[in-house]
Amino acid sequence: GQNIDQPTEMTATEGAIVQINCTYQTSGFNGLFWYQQHAGEAPTFLSYNVLDGLEEKGRFSSFLSRSKGYSYLLLKELQMKDSASYLCAVRAPYSGAGSYQLTFGKGTKLSVIP
Amino acid sequence: SAVISQKPSRDICQRGTSLTIQCQVDSQVTMMFWYRQQPGQSLTLIATANQGSEATYESGFVIDKFPISRPNLTFSTLTVSNMSPEDSSIYLCSVEGLAGANEQFFGPGTRLTVL
Repeated sequence: GQNIDQPTEMTATEGAIVQINCTYQTSGFNGLFWYQQHAGEAPTFLSYNVLDGLEEKGRFSSFLSRSKGYSYLLLKELQMKDSASYLCAVRAPYSGAGSYQLTFGKGTKLSVIP
Repeated sequence: SAVISQKPSRDICQRGTSLTIQCQVDSQVTMMFWYRQQPGQSLTLIATANQGSEATYESGFVIDKFPISRPNLTFSTLTVSNMSPEDSSIYLCSVEGLAGANEQFFGPGTRLTVL
């Protein structure tokens, strides 16, 4: 089975740094994704980690520890437009039925305040 | 990334009717998926749309309720059959397999309300 946990809500101040954690217990692992979803819109890809360590992409960084079943998304220099839900998703190994399944966490709603 | 379009973008339907949602991609992709996102919830995978063969459904979803077609590498449809208010949700298609990319890209979604 798959179990993915992330905080429900977070609030941070414009210009600050925020870290959104994600822990997972899954029956297989073939990568972890972070998506951003603004209200009423489709999810937008942010990052992908399959090896341990930190991946940096502009203001956003994502970290993975496979041994701990743990990831975080780090957002720097927060802007008001960063207010959104952030979804952690784990990809299962190839199932042989034609899919690499993504299992999503419930998402973390981030509110950026002035 | 790919340009993914969905039709309709939203619809309001009566209980007991069916609605077919279309997903069109502007380039050929290996994998296409259908997700559901109920109000205030995260995304749940309904099925993988396989080109040239029957879709692969996740636990809790069946072909009679959610028939899927994928006639080619750029197009898929999802039908929500015999709808009830519990089917009110956003339905999203996603694609994977664009030129070495690992990520899944999502369509804009179809917001369905069943009365």
